[in-house]
Amino acid sequence: SQKIEQNSEALNIQEGKTATLTCNYTNYSPAYLQWYRQDPGRGPVFLLLIRENEKEKRKERLKVTFDTTLKQSLFHITASQPADSATYLCAPLNTGFQKLVFGTGTRLLVSP
Amino acid sequence: GAVVSQHPSWVICKSGTSVKIECRSLDFQATTMFWYRQFPKQSLMLMATSNEGSKATYEQGVEKDKFLINHASLTLSTLTVTSAHPEDSSFYICSARDNRASTEAFFGQGTRLTVV
Repeated sequence: SQKIEQNSEALNIQEGKTATLTCNYTNYSPAYLQWYRQDPGRGPVFLLLIRENEKEKRKERLKVTFDTTLKQSLFHITASQPADSATYLCAPLNTGFQKLVFGTGTRLLVSP
Repeated sequence: GAVVSQHPSWVICKSGTSVKIECRSLDFQATTMFWYRQFPKQSLMLMATSNEGSKATYEQGVEKDKFLINHASLTLSTLTVTSAHPEDSSFYICSARDNRASTEAFFGQGTRLTVV
């Protein structure tokens, strides 16, 4: 069966450091992979999409990598800030994008 | 970005009654809508996917007769929780996407349902 795994334990880092979050998937052949941010009591907000033929994508302080051989995506936040504290969700998408299914999410806590 | 409005943001209902949650795309046409349920400290669980004008596709384990989804127009989808019970208490979130324009999905604010 299809699985999307993210670190279930919270990631605690200090302000200014780089946060790295992992997303592993099985039984998917995604054409895309999306990352979302969710704050408590709110709906997720789209951050980045990376395509299967892209190794890396950047947006401001965010960087996403996509390794289809390892079936893994890494999500990096550089120069992290307390405002980056949230839960981050990944979602691999097959061509046609019929369903949007999320991983378990990783909670990031950035302390001042 | 595009706006998805979900209403109500919270609702308390008595056990056995039905509750309707609305999800509207305000500035784009939602060809596909997704409905999720989220329990405390857990991730979003996809309940069903609906395409405008078609019947919803439910995920395994989700009772389609209990969670009625209607997606009759390109801007509105509704989720009705029928004969609600305390175990249905949860955070329900809708998401909308215009398949023709983007792979990005936009989420509503969520509805906190408490069944007493």
